Amino acid sequence: GAVVSQHPSWVICKSGTSVKIECRSLDFQATTMFWYRQFPKQSLMLMATSNEGSKATYEQGVEKDKFLINHASLTLSTLTVTSAHPEDSSFYICSAHTGNQPQHFGDGTRLSIL
Amino acid sequence: GQQVMQIPQYQHVQEGEDFTTYCNSSTTLSNIQWYKQRPGGHPVFLIQLVKSGEVKKQKRLTFQFGEAKKNSSLHITATQTTDVGTYFCAGNFNKFYFGSGTKLNVKP
Repeated sequence: GAVVSQHPSWVICKSGTSVKIECRSLDFQATTMFWYRQFPKQSLMLMATSNEGSKATYEQGVEKDKFLINHASLTLSTLTVTSAHPEDSSFYICSAHTGNQPQHFGDGTRLSIL
Repeated sequence: GQQVMQIPQYQHVQEGEDFTTYCNSSTTLSNIQWYKQRPGGHPVFLIQLVKSGEVKKQKRLTFQFGEAKKNSSLHITATQTTDVGTYFCAGNFNKFYFGSGTKLNVKP
């Protein structure tokens, strides 16, 4: 099946640090990548939709200057959490999607801000 | 914004009992997907339903999509301990919104 690689899987860093998370579709070209955030015992909340070559579309309440998304190619999207603070600690998951196919998820990144 | 409601939030069953989780949308969906997530893991795709009234089976799992393409259900027959996890539906509104999930616990 389709494989999506997400890196890093775990990040612990100090408050004020910017953290970049990569999402790669390894064996197919993804027209769209989605970024989700999941707090403990909660559902996945869509943060933004990323299309190759265009600006990301952010969900209501998600700060675009805080969560920078770059979709440089059909196989790579990055999410940068800028000046991260403890309240940004969460599980971030990307998924890659094309056409009417199911979205395929990365393994997620657990972000802990001290 | 678009919402997908999912119930129940939790379900505790004895091994061998059946289990059902339901999802409902206020607007018509292009399709709906179902996922299973184990603690510490990422969502694993189970199935996608596209057609009105569609019913699909995977061994002990039966998935249904309503005639109006606004609701869906996942039914597990004779649960096993390996079925433990959280089941999510995700409605496709040209982007995916997840239901709140149903956490299933199966007692041996």
